[in-house]
Amino acid sequence: QVQLAESGGGVVQPGRSLRLSCAASGFIFSNYGMHWVRQAPGKGLEWVALIRLDGSDKYYADSVRGRFTISRDNSKSTLYLQMDSLRAEDTAMYYCARRDAYSAFDYWGQGTLVTVSS
Amino acid sequence: QSALTQPPSASGSPGQSVAISCTGTSSDIGGYNYVSWYQQHPGKAPKLMIYEVSKRPSGVPDRFSGSKSGNTASLTVSGLQAEDEAEYYCSSYASSNNWVFGGGTKLTVL
Repeated sequence: QVQLAESGGGVVQPGRSLRLSCAASGFIFSNYGMHWVRQAPGKGLEWVALIRLDGSDKYYADSVRGRFTISRDNSKSTLYLQMDSLRAEDTAMYYCARRDAYSAFDYWGQGTLVTVSS
Repeated sequence: QSALTQPPSASGSPGQSVAISCTGTSSDIGGYNYVSWYQQHPGKAPKLMIYEVSKRPSGVPDRFSGSKSGNTASLTVSGLQAEDEAEYYCSSYASSNNWVFGGGTKLTVL
């Protein structure tokens, strides 16, 4: 079965960096685009970024463009999110999600919590 | 990109039907048939319930249905059951490889 497992979250000071990982299994990772979606505590969902099948095309929400970088290693079936210049407002649970053929998010991981605080 | 607009709460008794609306613009909901709905129980990851406006993934009960008219999409839950109590989010493709979510609706089964 499809499984997505995020890791790498933690407490980090404002202005510092953090890299999240998402290990995928149960499907052919290189056949799917992958998203990052975040959810601030007690708040709704916010799309963060998308990377296409081979990693050649990447897209970002305005709120993170220029600070976050999405990437993937298809040989390791792993998705990444490099987060630089972190701000307090980046505090959230970060989910990786698979993109289906209809632009929906069809499978989600359990999330990894990022807290940006001094 | 602005978030889609959902009512903060909805409720119904067991066995009843409830509809949750999701309003966007011609740049998202009105422009594409890529509306999806997600169910999220407390402390859990979201789960896809409806995609492409009205299609159900395998395993989702047919009590869940979706529709769209103009810039507004709707999720209807028929024959409410206790386990349907959760937060529901709509989402839409919003051009130029952007996606937007609604603010969420807390569904309470009375």
